[in-house]
Amino acid sequence: AQSVTQLDSQVPVFEEAPVELRCNYSSSVSVYLFWYVQYPNQGLQLLLKYLSGSTLVKGINGFEAEFNKSQTSFHLRKPSVHISDTAEYFCAVSEWTNAGKSTFGDGTTLTVKP
Amino acid sequence: EAGVTQSPTHLIKTRGQQATLRCSPISGHTSVYWYQQALGLGLQFLLWYDEGEERNRGNFPPRFSGRQFPNYSSELNVNALELEDSALYLCASSLAPGDTQYFGPGTRLTVL
Repeated sequence: AQSVTQLDSQVPVFEEAPVELRCNYSSSVSVYLFWYVQYPNQGLQLLLKYLSGSTLVKGINGFEAEFNKSQTSFHLRKPSVHISDTAEYFCAVSEWTNAGKSTFGDGTTLTVKP
Repeated sequence: EAGVTQSPTHLIKTRGQQATLRCSPISGHTSVYWYQQALGLGLQFLLWYDEGEERNRGNFPPRFSGRQFPNYSSELNVNALELEDSALYLCASSLAPGDTQYFGPGTRLTVL
């Protein structure tokens, strides 16, 4: 069975500072990995995804993530955050052999302060 | 292009009643997913439908059920409602299994 652990439930940062949101996963087979963002009072939208190929994935709004197979991690990073990045971020994994079933982490609340 | 739509936006029920939640996927998407987002518990996978068939379900009791219609829209039914069923229920659709999931705004179910 697959599982996802988001290591930080809350991450407060100041505007224009860099940020890293950590995500570890476990699975016995190859996986697809996703990061979603949920802005206040809105639905989830995809930030980026890793399916195969290059381990560095670039997404929307200046976010990127690196797939590290040996450490089973998929950390999300942004070099300089804005107030508007304040939201909840979810890491998700789905197995190649059962791609329709995604497992989500518990979420990380990113709060960007002025 | 219209996104995933869900109805109703809010639903208030009492214990023991049944709730029906509806989802219309993006045009052309055949896979529909249901998730429960309870306060403090993150997103829990409920059900996955593809081409009219239930393909997988999460660790939820049988009183959570659903179906997918020929036009790929979907319905989630929750029978014998319990207080802990209060949550935001999110529907998502994708072009194919494993592809990017596009989420609807959710239905907020409150059980009193």
